[in-house]
Amino acid sequence: NAGVMQNPRHLVRRRGQEARLRCSPMKGHSHVYWYRQLPEEGLKFMVYLQKENIIDESGMPKERFSAEFPKEGPSILRIQQVVRGDSAAYFCASSPNPENIQYFGAGTRLSVL
Amino acid sequence: RKEVEQDPGPFNVPEGATVAFNCTYSNSASQSFFWYRQDCRKEPKLLMSVYSSGNEDGRFTAQLNRASQYISLLIRDSKLSDSATYLCVVIRDYKLSFGAGTTVTVRA
Repeated sequence: NAGVMQNPRHLVRRRGQEARLRCSPMKGHSHVYWYRQLPEEGLKFMVYLQKENIIDESGMPKERFSAEFPKEGPSILRIQQVVRGDSAAYFCASSPNPENIQYFGAGTRLSVL
Repeated sequence: RKEVEQDPGPFNVPEGATVAFNCTYSNSASQSFFWYRQDCRKEPKLLMSVYSSGNEDGRFTAQLNRASQYISLLIRDSKLSDSATYLCVVIRDYKLSFGAGTTVTVRA
């Protein structure tokens, strides 16, 4: 039973480019959560999605960031026109329901040059 | 005020020592509590849940004090492999709030 799969593991972008981060939840999990960890800081909640629905995006920056979890395929976190401050580790977690423990993927480390 | 606050450490202890640290949380409506472990630049991994009655998992003991809104973790007989950052995690509804982590280094 594969765990939460994130790809790519490392992503390098130049300022102004787009970054697309993918997350496939554990089998049987329909709830996906994205977190961001800036260097030397703790993890911060960004967004919670259930299949085809955004449940809570209160942690998402108002501009340039979007997330989706389509009926088929992985969840996508999209960052448009990246800036250096977007450089961070982005972790995805999944759970079978919102009350359960969340299991984390290995993360995508985004570096913006 | 941050929702979850932790002593950042670092705690530098010899093998075999006991190390303990706390975290505090600000929202009394918080429902569930966990300790996660994060090794350098890797994903957080669940260490243990925390219950009001206190619970043990091998060398690890966790305690929750709802009245004072703090959670503790105690590690007995420290091993080199216990070196990591320990994250205090509080859940309210579905949202995990993480402390910034307590760094523990166990030396030979």
